[in-house]
Amino acid sequence: ELKVEQNPLFLSMQEGKNYTIYCNYSTTSDRLYWYRQDPGKSLESLFVLLSNGAVKQEGRLMASLDTKARLSTLHITAAVHDLSATYFCAVGRGGGADGLTFGKGTHLIIQP
Amino acid sequence: EADIYQTPRYLVIGTGKKITLECSQTMGHDKMYWYQQDPGMELHLIHYSYGVNSTEKGDLSSESTVSRIRTEHFPLTLESARPSHTSQYLCASSESGRADTQYFGPGTRLTVL
Repeated sequence: ELKVEQNPLFLSMQEGKNYTIYCNYSTTSDRLYWYRQDPGKSLESLFVLLSNGAVKQEGRLMASLDTKARLSTLHITAAVHDLSATYFCAVGRGGGADGLTFGKGTHLIIQP
Repeated sequence: EADIYQTPRYLVIGTGKKITLECSQTMGHDKMYWYQQDPGMELHLIHYSYGVNSTEKGDLSSESTVSRIRTEHFPLTLESARPSHTSQYLCASSESGRADTQYFGPGTRLTVL
């Protein structure tokens, strides 16, 4: 059974600081996604990572994937208040099954 | 980016009622999905479809059923709603392919009294 673990689950940080969210998954998968969710809203796609060593960047967010370690990271550089949200990683179920298995999410609060 | 719509956005209903949550997408995506999310928690896959006349169960056991008669439409039905069904239901769609990013609808927030 595929399990996806994120840490930390809650993070309060100051503007201007850097931080990293970690996502570990338990079985081999060829797809990993990062999503953002604002309170009361739906999910917004941020990144899709498909291969070992993949790195993608958008603004102050950078995601990477290490398939051998079954680990993805989402790095936040010089955080700003607008990045406050819940960030989910999700992994393709694989094994002939479709759909995604999600982590519990990291609730990120960025304070001025 | 996909245009994906869900109705109703909010629904409060009594125990025992039959309800159907609607989901439609206009991008011609083959794949569609239903997820359940309790407030502040992770999403759980309850149903998905590869295309017309295809439906599969997801990870989370659910008393709901789905149908896929048209490519753009993927409704979810609860025959007899119970308070344990209170949750948010999110519909998603994606193209077929390896980098099949799922695009999510706005969700239906269901409360069963």
